[in-house]
Amino acid sequence: DIQMTQSPSSLSASVGDRVTITCQASQDISNYLNWYQQKPGKAPKLLIYDASNLESGVPSRFSGGGSGTDFTFTISSLQPEDTATYYCQQYDNLPLFTFGPGTKVDIK
Amino acid sequence: QLQLQESGSGLVKPSQTLSLTCAVSGGSISSGAYSWSWIRQPPGKGLEWIGYIYHSGTTYYNPSLKSRVTISVDRSKNQFSLKLNSVTAADTAVYYCARRLISRFDHWGQGTLVTVSS
Repeated sequence: DIQMTQSPSSLSASVGDRVTITCQASQDISNYLNWYQQKPGKAPKLLIYDASNLESGVPSRFSGGGSGTDFTFTISSLQPEDTATYYCQQYDNLPLFTFGPGTKVDIK
Repeated sequence: QLQLQESGSGLVKPSQTLSLTCAVSGGSISSGAYSWSWIRQPPGKGLEWIGYIYHSGTTYYNPSLKSRVTISVDRSKNQFSLKLNSVTAADTAVYYCARRLISRFDHWGQGTLVTVSS
């Protein structure tokens, strides 16, 4: 099974800060990685697919990168509404899907 | 605009069967481009993929749940369903239905909390 890890597990940053989250796969998954945002009490929302493609309607301050086993998710200028938990999700071994454990982001 | 809405029993007794339905509106469940998924999230924890179904009825399940899960589709009602049998407290979670496009889940329902308790 492919295992996913995320770091940090939580972070606190100021409005306007650049925030970066990392996701690591236990084996090479090419670019088969997506990122989701989940606000408290809400369903997850797709932000980035195929490692670096921005989902339609998602603000451009969100971006993703990486390939193989190491991936990054960046918020270029943190906004108050970005308070949420962010999950990576791999799909290298279709039809199975695995989510990372999540990174909680809040405002300092 | 596509909408998904979960419904079903919010309280299930241990050893019984959890049953949920996801009604799809604003789009056809028979579109071959998509499959229809269930994902759950125990309180305070992360996301776990349960399985998905194509409009043809072909299903794929998480191996960890495969022996207890059945997902079915009703094209006439534009909805799909989840049954999870022999539930325990570990199955207490918010259950989400979602549309899968190739590699990703691009539309989600709001989620419904199912509690397993006597």
